[in-house]
Amino acid sequence: DAMVIQNPRYQVTQFGKPVTLSCSQTLNHNVMYWYQQKSSQAPKLLFHYYDKDFNNEADTPDNFQSRRPNTSFCFLDIRSPGLGDAAMYLCATSRVSRPVTEAFFGQGTRLTVV
Amino acid sequence: AQSVTQLGSHVSVSEGALVLLRCNYSSSVPPYLFWYVQYPNQGLQLLLKYTSAATLVKGINDFEAEFKKSETSFHLTKPSAHMSDAAEYFCAVTSGPGATNKLIFGTGTLLAVQP
Repeated sequence: DAMVIQNPRYQVTQFGKPVTLSCSQTLNHNVMYWYQQKSSQAPKLLFHYYDKDFNNEADTPDNFQSRRPNTSFCFLDIRSPGLGDAAMYLCATSRVSRPVTEAFFGQGTRLTVV
Repeated sequence: AQSVTQLGSHVSVSEGALVLLRCNYSSSVPPYLFWYVQYPNQGLQLLLKYTSAATLVKGINDFEAEFKKSETSFHLTKPSAHMSDAAEYFCAVTSGPGATNKLIFGTGTLLAVQP
């Protein structure tokens, strides 16, 4: 089945140690998003790629970076994780079209910072 | 700017009872509206979407929602709750084509279903 796959599902990292989360898709969608969801909160958009064009949200900390080497893959890099970065990270994809279509989400990666 | 407001962060119903989860939106352009469900430690799954066609939208698992422009609402309903419906529900809005479908989420409603 076509889908959005996130690896790993659970990630434990040390305070200040760089960590990378990965996302792949088989939907061939042109947009990929990264959301951060803290406990009992709504998902918050960090950034998205429209094809190769990177779009950062204004309030996304510099500590968060992203790479999209090809249509299928997108990575979230956290350069120096702090305790406040512990959260569920959700990758999603969408196809920009008329009419509007929905975003498809992966299962998420739960990040713990120790 | 667009936003959605979900009234009631926690809703509890009995099994078999009507489910009503409220969502109001604010948008300066015609909105596109979605309801997603999230089970613990899972991603978000689409329940239904409104994309300017029929105002009454039917989704999966007998959920439906009605777009009411005059009330700026898009409330989610289900006639009879099942135990498996216990989850968190998010209403979301996007401004549509050309805006890369960025979703703005409400704060979520946690639905509990009592036996």
